[in-house]
Amino acid sequence: DIQMTQSPSSLSASVGDRVTIACRASQSVRTYLNWYQQKPGRAPKVLIHDISSLQSGVPSRFSGSGSGADFTLTISSLQPEDSATYYCQQSYSRPYTFGRGTKLEIK
Amino acid sequence: EVQLVESGGDLVQPGGSLRLSCAASGLIVSNNYMTWIRQAPGKGLEWVSVMHAGGDTYYADSVKGRFTISRDNSANTLFLQMNSLRAEDTAVYYCARDQRGDYLDVWGRGTLVTVSS
Repeated sequence: DIQMTQSPSSLSASVGDRVTIACRASQSVRTYLNWYQQKPGRAPKVLIHDISSLQSGVPSRFSGSGSGADFTLTISSLQPEDSATYYCQQSYSRPYTFGRGTKLEIK
Repeated sequence: EVQLVESGGDLVQPGGSLRLSCAASGLIVSNNYMTWIRQAPGKGLEWVSVMHAGGDTYYADSVKGRFTISRDNSANTLFLQMNSLRAEDTAVYYCARDQRGDYLDVWGRGTLVTVSS
């Protein structure tokens, strides 16, 4: 199975900050890398698919980048509603594994 | 509006069985890749199983041989039959549409399965 490692596991930032979350795969996943946001008690929601494609309806302050096995989710200007846990997921090879999540708190 | 609604979660004893349902509206289950994802309390997301539009099925090693994914086309519903349940199967189970076998773009709200004596 492909292992997905996210860092950091948690972070705290202020409104307006630029935030970056990293995700590393144990092998290349080509372009099959997705990012999800999950708020407490809610189902996850896809933000970014295929490394950098913004899902319809997702604010443009969210962006994704990377290649091969190293990827990044960036929030350009943090908003209060961005408090959530963020997961990366590879869909290159079954089982489609997730990272362990990054919990983002607003200061 | 596209919607997925899970049901069937319950408290069950170790070794027991349970069948989860995922009723779809606004999308045709048989035309899509449909997936089950689970999340243990306070933990991350785990991919469980997928059924492709053509009927092929795949499972995580942790559930292979115990869980069966299926669908009822007339009811537009996805199922997950879970047998020989273990404490480590305790989780919220979500069904989701797997867009082109790539990313999960529609999710249900989940149903809680608790395996405990």
